[in-house]
Amino acid sequence: DADVTQTPRNRITKTGKRIMLECSQTKGHDRMYWYRQDPGLGLRLIYYSFDVKDINKGEISDGYSVSRQAQAKFSLSLESAIPNQTALYFCATSDLREEQFFGPGTRLTVL
Amino acid sequence: AQKITQTQPGMFVQEKEAVTLDCTYDTSDPSYGLFWYKQPSSGEMIFLIYQGSYDQQNATEGRYSLNFQKARKSANLVISASQLGDSAMYFCAMREDLTGTASKLTFGTGTRLQVTL
Repeated sequence: DADVTQTPRNRITKTGKRIMLECSQTKGHDRMYWYRQDPGLGLRLIYYSFDVKDINKGEISDGYSVSRQAQAKFSLSLESAIPNQTALYFCATSDLREEQFFGPGTRLTVL
Repeated sequence: AQKITQTQPGMFVQEKEAVTLDCTYDTSDPSYGLFWYKQPSSGEMIFLIYQGSYDQQNATEGRYSLNFQKARKSANLVISASQLGDSAMYFCAMREDLTGTASKLTFGTGTRLQVTL
């Protein structure tokens, strides 16, 4: 079984819809992250969490919110999706060295 | 200001040859870490190699080595004996320390490597 899982793997939605991307991990790490990847821009950090009670904004948090339901679960929500949020979204976990273990990604398309 | 710079959008290398992917970084912190990840066309991010700022020797992992030149702030990835399966996007990333034990990774824009016969 994969250490970091993301659901759904692919999603097509319409402008204005609320959508949640879920991430679960079995690595026992406290640190979890959400990134988005756009062509030519690499990975950019949306939100990160160092434990259940700690949530921090990354460089592009506008339009997104997160919930850390448990050590193993970190969800990303788009309250009202817009087309420029079409991207590949990655969840990741890390140990203290910050080697990040990535999930398989969620490809989101907002029409 | 961009903290991780990968100046090669695309590279070609012949099978069995070595290739160097460039990465420069910018930080004033004495303690930092540098990473390389591979992203094949299937999309997953695969960790390749790590170099700590205090490490005396260049990191190596199989066919991957990291040419760490601290004074020049460069952390180039060297792939020896390229294989067709090395064709992928490669990302350099740097750990930035925040407060206390908190830190995060910043990624470069990537280099697309194509291995040819």
